[in-house]
Amino acid sequence: EVQLLESGGGLVQPGGSLRLSCAASGFSFSNHAMSWVRQAPGKGLEWVATISGRGDRTYYADSVKGRLTISRDASKNMLYLQINSLRAEDTAVYFCAKDAYGSGIDYLDDWGQGTLVTVSS
Amino acid sequence: QSVLTQPPSASGTPGQRVTISCSGSSSNIASNYVHWYQQLPGTAPRLLIYRNNQRPLGVPDRFSGSKSGTSASLAISGLRSEDEAHYYCAAWDDSLSGRVVFGGGTKLTVL
Repeated sequence: EVQLLESGGGLVQPGGSLRLSCAASGFSFSNHAMSWVRQAPGKGLEWVATISGRGDRTYYADSVKGRLTISRDASKNMLYLQINSLRAEDTAVYFCAKDAYGSGIDYLDDWGQGTLVTVSS
Repeated sequence: QSVLTQPPSASGTPGQRVTISCSGSSSNIASNYVHWYQQLPGTAPRLLIYRNNQRPLGVPDRFSGSKSGTSASLAISGLRSEDEAHYYCAAWDDSLSGRVVFGGGTKLTVL
């Protein structure tokens, strides 16, 4: 059974930094691209970033490019999202999601339960 | 402003058939697969339809998807109360350096 467990969310001041983690299990981690998708309170889904299965390609939404870094550690089956210069508009639930294939341009077939990031002073 | 356009709301009575549209462009829907996700209240999204019209294991055949040109649709037949949820379309977009684009979501109400 695929399991994706996010952690690292919390209350952060504007301008601060945060690293979100996603522990993956139940599948061959390196064979699948992984993504982060966020959802602001009461709003729709917003794709944030994707990393290929081998970690050699990354894709970012324009709205976060330069402030966010997606990475993965195959030895630990872990996915990460480093968020810098946090703004109020980054307040959202951040979901970790598994891509069906390794390239990162296909569908997201498993999702974690999300971790809430609140940016406020 | 979402790249893919969905109606914000839809509704139907139990047993009815409802459709939800998703409009895009040549760089996303017209040239790539469309996927649909269902998000029940207070839960994470789940994959509902992939690659335009394929259903994952466990998704009832009441749900179906289609695509034509720059538009796609999700149809739900035999509407049930448990179908009340938000529905999102998504696709890969070839513009810029590549990105995933979502629709703004459609809230389906079962009357």
